[in-house]
Amino acid sequence: GDSVTQMEGPVTLSEEAFLTINCTYTATGYPSLFWYVQYPGEGLQLLLKATKADDKGSNKGFEATYRKETTSFHLEKGSVQVSDSAVYFCAYSGGSNYKLTFGKGTLLTVNP
Amino acid sequence: GAVVSQHPSRVICKSGTSVKIECRSLDFQATTMFWYRQFPKQSLMLMATSNEGSKATYEQGVEKDKFLINHASLTLSTLTVTSAHPEDSSFYICSARDGQTRFFGPGTRLTVL
Repeated sequence: GDSVTQMEGPVTLSEEAFLTINCTYTATGYPSLFWYVQYPGEGLQLLLKATKADDKGSNKGFEATYRKETTSFHLEKGSVQVSDSAVYFCAYSGGSNYKLTFGKGTLLTVNP
Repeated sequence: GAVVSQHPSRVICKSGTSVKIECRSLDFQATTMFWYRQFPKQSLMLMATSNEGSKATYEQGVEKDKFLINHASLTLSTLTVTSAHPEDSSFYICSARDGQTRFFGPGTRLTVL
């Protein structure tokens, strides 16, 4: 069935390091892909999204490209900050029912 | 941006009692709301989709008589965990749809003793 697999954490980086969190999906059709972020004590927030192949979503220095050929949507940031410490969820949505399927989440901790 | 609130943020109850969790969209009308359950170090699992004025659609394996969902208005959906047991202890998260955009509540931590 449809699923999302993302890199398991936790991931610990130093400030200004390069970040990659891998995400691959298995889905029929042409899903939309998302990255959500959950800061401590807060609800999930949409970080970025891509709705078709080769689209690049970007926000707050984060980027992810919808790669249909590799069924991937890896999250990257060139220089992380302490304030980026959070849990990151990859997700996809397919069809007209707006259901979101989430990966397990990756905890990122950035140390000063 | 749009805000979704949940109340309470955390609740502790005795086994056998019922607990109601509220989810409100504060500045938009949400015809569709979603209820998720999140276990430690695991993903969000969709429990049910709630449409205003109609019965909720439950995911496979979710007991509709145990997890009662009511979406009586365009800004409020409630999840009632009936006859709660320790295995129902979890983090419950609601989400509301505004067009094609989803907004999530901060979650409710339920602990059943």
